[in-house]
Amino acid sequence: SAVISQKPSRDICQRGTSLTIQCQVDSQVTMMFWYRQQPGQSLTLIATANQGSEATYESGFVIDKFPISRPNLTFSTLTVSNMSPEDSSIYLCSVEGSTGGRYNEQFFGPGTRLTVL
Amino acid sequence: EDQVTQSPEALRLQEGESSSLNCSYTVSGLRGLFWYRQDPGKGPEFLFTLYSAGEEKEKERLKATLTKKESFLHITAPKPEDSATYLCAVQPDTGRRALTFGSGTRLQVQP
Repeated sequence: SAVISQKPSRDICQRGTSLTIQCQVDSQVTMMFWYRQQPGQSLTLIATANQGSEATYESGFVIDKFPISRPNLTFSTLTVSNMSPEDSSIYLCSVEGSTGGRYNEQFFGPGTRLTVL
Repeated sequence: EDQVTQSPEALRLQEGESSSLNCSYTVSGLRGLFWYRQDPGKGPEFLFTLYSAGEEKEKERLKATLTKKESFLHITAPKPEDSATYLCAVQPDTGRRALTFGSGTRLQVQP
């Protein structure tokens, strides 16, 4: 399984500012995903990021608000722009990896806990 | 649209008291059903993938089963360290690789 790290692990930000979250994987992966988990809620997909192509965003999420970069097969960033308190969430990076099963599973990073004041 | 419903929302057990968590799903075609464990302040930890009805997988005190409409996570003789939120997710066979998650079951096992 892939080992995923995220930076920062947590941050407290002022409204109107932006934060860039980094996701680093210990092996090359084709597909990376960014999810959001609002307080007390389950995970919601923000976008899918493939290396060499534009990210694909889910309904309700737009590139201007959540720009994503995917410069290589082991790294991605998600920026939360012009933040408001409603953006306070845990942001999770996910990748596909293999445990020897029929298909690849998805593994998650430790998350970035964002609080917007 | 894929949908996942988990029940109960919360479950409190005594140590050694076995029980089951339910995950009902609606998907046009199922590529895989995933179970994760999530501890507070951490990312989800992968437990199992089930691919077809009738399939079962086990890991320590956990056993996951799958039918065409739902999956169960059976917890046998739980211990306090099994306390966590258990998440269920589905992946369709449409080529879409992202997962659709349920809202989770918060399990508390008391000594």
